[in-house]
Order: sequence, then C-alpha cells, then structure tokens
Amino acid sequence: EAQVTQNPRYLITVTGKKLTVTCSQNMNHEYMSWYRQDPGLGLRQIYYSMNVEVTDKGDVPEGYKVSRKEKRNFPLILESPSPNQTSLYFCASSSRRDYKYEQYFGPGTRLTVT
Amino acid sequence: QKEVEQNSGPLSVPEGAIASLNCTYSDRVSQSFFWYRQYSGKSPELIMSIYSNGDKEDGRFTAQLNKASQYVSLLIRDSQPSDSATYLCAVTAPGSNYKLTFGKGTLLTVNP
Repeated sequence: EAQVTQNPRYLITVTGKKLTVTCSQNMNHEYMSWYRQDPGLGLRQIYYSMNVEVTDKGDVPEGYKVSRKEKRNFPLILESPSPNQTSLYFCASSSRRDYKYEQYFGPGTRLTVT
Repeated sequence: QKEVEQNSGPLSVPEGAIASLNCTYSDRVSQSFFWYRQYSGKSPELIMSIYSNGDKEDGRFTAQLNKASQYVSLLIRDSQPSDSATYLCAVTAPGSNYKLTFGKGTLLTVNP
C-alpha cells in the first residue's frame, strides 16, 4: 500500500530534550515536506526537500532541522524543543510525475512540549 | 506574502444539497490548485486538483478555476453527513511547485 508513515504518532516531552520525528514514504517520491498545524494559523510549511541531500526552509523553520540522506526518509529534528513547538505535525510527499506535484500526507504526530 | 483566503465557516447544508466552498488567492501567477478534506484530528486528504481554467468533475465533486478572478471553488453534490469536515484550499506558484500555501480551511457540516 502506497503511504507516508510517521513515528511517533503522539509524543509528550520536556523543554530542551532533543527529539526526532521520523517520516518515511514508499512511493519513490522526490519531494518531501514537513508542516505544522495550529488552531487559527492553519498548515504552515517548516522545511522541504526536493531530493536526496537537497533541503530548504519553508515559512516557519526556526527551531527545526531536517536531513535527507535517503530518498524514502525525511526526519524532523527538534534540537531543543520549547513549548511554542507544541503542535500537530504532518509529513507529506509528492512526485513530479506529469508535473502535477500532488502532495500526500502522513497520519500526523501530535507533539506536546511541557 | 502569498495568501490563500477561505471563509472559515461553519457552512451548514442539509443532506442531499449542494455545498459550495470558495477560495481566493493573491498570487496571480499561481499555477496548481488543490482541495484537501480534513476530518478532525486526521491528516489532510487530497480530493481534487485543477490546473487550468474551467471545471473538473470527479464523482460528486466539481472544482472550478477562474484565474482571471483568482478564484477556485469546490462543489459537493448530494452532500452526505460523511462529507462533514474541514476543506482546505492550497495553491502553488511557478518555480515553486513543491511549495504549497494553504488557506485556513472551511468547516462544512452536513445535517441529516
């Protein structure tokens, strides 16, 4: 089954404790992206990657890091989480096939930083 | 700053009616347009994409695009209670086809 997976799905952590949220896709998509979703603010892009070893900042990159060492994986790293990073996080991937760039989302990770 | 605007709703329609969801965007050169459906606590699900002016139909869904007016809409015919969700409009621009800008969504409620 074609899908985007994220782990963990739920995470409660404390301020300053480094964490990684994993994202993996099995569709051989070139493009992957991370979003956060907050009430009243909608979905905002954090980082994106157009292919292996190619990443760039989205609209709200502060406090986050990413890497793209393999085509299927795109982990999101919070080096020193803070309470304002409490949010619902989504990973997405898309293909350039037919120049359509349709993005497909993972199930989400609900992060709480206390 | 590119913007995508949607009425937040809630939009309430009776079962069997046509639900009409609207979206305007500020970047005149926006190129690709998408509608996502999101149930509470779940991830966005792509339901329609449209790339050229006019209408595109898929089952009970019709997307309409008017680039001159910078307007894209989604019609849901024969609305069902299972259509109750938040509908997100998203657009891309040339040269940044990987970057989606989302509207904040319209909450649709279909009443039995």
